[in-house]
Amino acid sequence: GQQVMQIPQYQHVQEGEDFTTYCNSSTTLSNIQWYKQRPGGHPVFLIQLVKSGEVKKQKRLTFQFGEAKKNSSLHITATQTTDVGTYFCAGSRGNTGKLIFGQGTTLQVKP
Amino acid sequence: NAGVTQTPKFQVLKTGQSMTLQCAQDMNHEYMSWYRQDPGMGLRLIHYSVGAGITDQGEVPNGYNVSRSTTEDFPLRLLSAAPSQTSVYFCASSGTSGGPGTSTDTQYFGPGTRLTVL
Repeated sequence: GQQVMQIPQYQHVQEGEDFTTYCNSSTTLSNIQWYKQRPGGHPVFLIQLVKSGEVKKQKRLTFQFGEAKKNSSLHITATQTTDVGTYFCAGSRGNTGKLIFGQGTTLQVKP
Repeated sequence: NAGVTQTPKFQVLKTGQSMTLQCAQDMNHEYMSWYRQDPGMGLRLIHYSVGAGITDQGEVPNGYNVSRSTTEDFPLRLLSAAPSQTSVYFCASSGTSGGPGTSTDTQYFGPGTRLTVL
């Protein structure tokens, strides 16, 4: 079946350093979505990418969707302690209301 | 709007006991899903529903039953709890009523239920 792999599983950075998490799907995706889960909380939708090669920015966060629509990345510039949490990518093969989630990357930021 | 609500927030069961995790949404979403979250495993889909009266299995359905008699409610039943079902359970809904930049796949999660099976 469809698989979505995400690396790394954990990342510890010093505040102010950059951070990147990568997501790869075994199949072509219709869209890819990113979610953030704060410690003890629930996943919250961040953004959706739909077009091949698409790049979107949200303040210090940059999201990319690969040309083949099988991979994606999230890059955070100059991390802050408020960035702590687990970031999930999730792939869809169409508007089915069903997503396949990656394993998540847990980010720790040392002040 | 309350969004997606889940009860209970915490539950401890003994092996073999049964229980129902409740989930409700007030966003008139067509789709609802149940996920379990375990360390290092991400969010795994248990069951999902595309509308009232229609359910389907996800990635890890064994040991769980669901039904969807109304658009709003999507309870998850554990028939005979096992220690392997110790996890955090999230209910989510999605639909066509999302805002700009979303799709019918965009999941809105409830706060979760932390279940321990002894």
